[in-house]
Amino acid sequence: KAGVTQTPRYLIKTRGQQVTLSCSPISGHRSVSWYQQTPGQGLQFLFEYFSETQRNKGNFPGRFSGRQFSNSRSEMNVSTLELGDSALYLCASSLATGSTGTNEQFFGPGTRLTVL
Amino acid sequence: GESVGLHLPTLSVQEGDNSIINCAYSNSASDYFIWYKQESGKGPQFIIDIRSNMDKRQGQRVTVLLNKTVKHLSLQIAATQPGDSAVYFCAEQRGKLIFGQGTELSVKP
Repeated sequence: KAGVTQTPRYLIKTRGQQVTLSCSPISGHRSVSWYQQTPGQGLQFLFEYFSETQRNKGNFPGRFSGRQFSNSRSEMNVSTLELGDSALYLCASSLATGSTGTNEQFFGPGTRLTVL
Repeated sequence: GESVGLHLPTLSVQEGDNSIINCAYSNSASDYFIWYKQESGKGPQFIIDIRSNMDKRQGQRVTVLLNKTVKHLSLQIAATQPGDSAVYFCAEQRGKLIFGQGTELSVKP
């Protein structure tokens, strides 16, 4: 079956702009999580959505937001972009039927965001 | 606090040798750990996991060891191949994944 897909794969924005990234999970997966990956901070959890509700949230400012649709597809939005937002943004999906979400997470290839 | 760390940022091994990648975690309440492999231009890929009620788990050419006393886990790759070259992350999962910084494994032919 098809894996997790993310669009776009690459994006260049300037400071102050906003950006929306999209993630389509594996068919049947209801949980979608987002992570930011940078050379300095590594992989950091942004948030998780399950059945259109945010179930868990990391330590990122309110400029970072997300949502999930009824078909489990998810988007994340970053407003008022800063240079430090340049990163690889990864989406992962899982069955995650329990509240702790210990099911295996499958990652997409990521969206490489560059902020100039 | 929340942190999962790796001891070495880089590891270079000869093809055919065994590789050992180490990871230390700080939260003694953690009960589920995963190793991921990330190749260039790709997202992390699940390799093997282990729960805290186990101290060893084996997969195909990979073994994960968990030492809860010193809060340490390791990934052993047998007969390392060029295709194993990647960055390896350990992660603790409690709803969200908490990743370590990663170890870049280079395999010399």
